[in-house]
Order: sequence, then C-alpha cells, then structure tokens
Amino acid sequence: SQQGEEDPQALSIQEGENATMNCSYKTSINNLQWYRQNSGRGLVHLILIRSNEREKHSGRLRVTLDTSKKSSSLLITASRAADTASYFCATWDDYKLSFGAGTTVTVRA
Amino acid sequence: ETGVTQSPTHLIKTRGQQVTLRCSSQSGHNTVSWYQQALGQGPQFIFQYYREEENGRGNFPPRFSGLQFPNYSSELNVNALELDDSALYLCASSLGQGMAFFGQGTRLTVV
Repeated sequence: SQQGEEDPQALSIQEGENATMNCSYKTSINNLQWYRQNSGRGLVHLILIRSNEREKHSGRLRVTLDTSKKSSSLLITASRAADTASYFCATWDDYKLSFGAGTTVTVRA
Repeated sequence: ETGVTQSPTHLIKTRGQQVTLRCSSQSGHNTVSWYQQALGQGPQFIFQYYREEENGRGNFPPRFSGLQFPNYSSELNVNALELDDSALYLCASSLGQGMAFFGQGTRLTVV
C-alpha cells in the first residue's frame, strides 16, 4: 500500500494564481519530500522537510508539515506555465521511498 | 539536472522477451533503487542495491532482477515480459534517507 496520498488528484489554475496540494501519510517519518514530474519524465527533487520542522520555503515553494495529523502541504505561489506537472510527496519507509499517486497541476496562460 | 543517467530512453519489446535497463548513479552515491511507474500512478519500489547487494525488495516477482557494479552503476533485468510490464522505469540514487536523485527514466512498451 502507498505511504503517501495526495489531494486533490488534479488542479487547474490561471497563471499567477497560487496552487496548494496536500499529502497524508501513515507511519512516523524522519522527513518528507516533494518531487515534480514533467510529462512522464524523471522526478525532480523540490524540497525536503524534516520531522522537527513545521514550515520550509524554497523560492516560490512553501511546504508545511504537521506530524500530529500526518499531513503536509505544498504551496506554489505566483504559478507559471512551467509549473504544469505532476507533484508527488514521498516518505522513507525503511529502505524505500513511498509515493502517493500525485497531484496533476495544469497552469493555464 | 541530476547526475543519474538511464539508458535507453525508450524501448519496445514483445511479450515473452527479456530486457535490460541501465543506470549510472550520482557521483558518490552507493545506493541505487529502481521504481516502476504505471501511467497515472506514483512510482512503485522494485528493489534497492547497496554496495552491490540487494538491500530490499518490493512486491515484484523474481523475473525482475538486478545488479549493481563496483562503480555503483546498476542494471534492471526483466524476463518473460508481460503486457502489464509496460511502464516508465526509474532509477534513483541516494545517500541514506535523504534526497533521491532520479534519472529521466526508460519508457518500456511491451506488445
């Protein structure tokens, strides 16, 4: 079974708007990561947040982590067409990264 | 861009055939993992190699096998291909439970 689950499954926004997606996971974690995937290509690491952190920023990305609720959110501010992609959260489950099914974000010009 | 490269990028095989996919890992990373990603799904863990030994395996049959070489590059072999093996195969290298660096993937189509 998958460790992480993203919500929503798909998101369509206008360029310049913000995009928020959520992730829930099942077991205790050391860290949680977000990845981006463009058009069925490889995954690109976006950001890693440790279990003792509540919020982290990287450029236009803001990630929050609530370990009491076993959930995380990824906010992309001022979206651009190039942000059109699938976004996955992932957690380490012993020796493997476990992914959810992802959120597909479409940014309309 | 990561330092992980996969070859080939695309491959078409016939049911029953065998296939070998290759991956070179990020410099300094001694752990390589392979994932299978079906269309519209998240990546599913196949197995991991650490210092040339299989370190863990997901829910995949034995016809999925692998190798890691002394330079930490890796191969994924799939025997007796089935139509359901059609997927994007991703290789990732990492150091411990930190960031993983993924290759661009190999798109395998089984006909």
